[in-house]
Amino acid sequence: DAGITQSPRHKVTETGTPVTLRCHQTENHRYMYWYRQDPGHGLRLIHYSYGVKDTDKGEVSDGYSVSRSKTEDFLLTLESATSSQTSVYFCAISENLIYGYTFGSGTRLTVV
Amino acid sequence: AQTVTQSQPEMSVQEAETVTLSCTYDTSESDYYLFWYKQPPSRQMILVIRQEAYKQQNATENRFSVNFQKAAKSFSLKISDSQLGDAAMYFCAYRIKGAQKLVFGQGTRLTINP
Repeated sequence: DAGITQSPRHKVTETGTPVTLRCHQTENHRYMYWYRQDPGHGLRLIHYSYGVKDTDKGEVSDGYSVSRSKTEDFLLTLESATSSQTSVYFCAISENLIYGYTFGSGTRLTVV
Repeated sequence: AQTVTQSQPEMSVQEAETVTLSCTYDTSESDYYLFWYKQPPSRQMILVIRQEAYKQQNATENRFSVNFQKAAKSFSLKISDSQLGDAAMYFCAYRIKGAQKLVFGQGTRLTINP
């Protein structure tokens, strides 16, 4: 995956519990992103980072928080998981956005 | 709001034939970049082709080419000589110059019939 790893690959969790997804890169890219993929909605941006400790909200950020304490790691936390957050979550990285993103392999999260 | 529309949720084509996936976008900017990504059943997102809006020549990558119509804000993907391995979800995306993110369409699921 061109030096980008998401963990876990699959997770089942209960409603109301906190969940953290991890994105790790070895490319030293500046930009990192979290998207969710749902049928009929394509990919929607949750949060992104443009540097260490520099983050911003995307279009569907409610119920999610992120942290980036070092270049290689970007964490996505669902503070209190709900069934509406059942989705496939993708991390992406980029150094120069004119070339688009490189994606991780995704995390399938099921909230029961 | 910036939007990308893929009006065909699903398409199918016979193996070895040609198929075109449509994509339109909405921006008032003149300088931007356009992308097509492929997502096979493995779930991995793969960049297929990209186009810079200031270039009039349509991008081509082997059997994949685009028809970029800037005035119409249209960016369709043509797949020639379709192969079974082309079966996937295809996403169109764009990024205006200076923006820090890409905006994606809803996707088109392409089926290849043997």
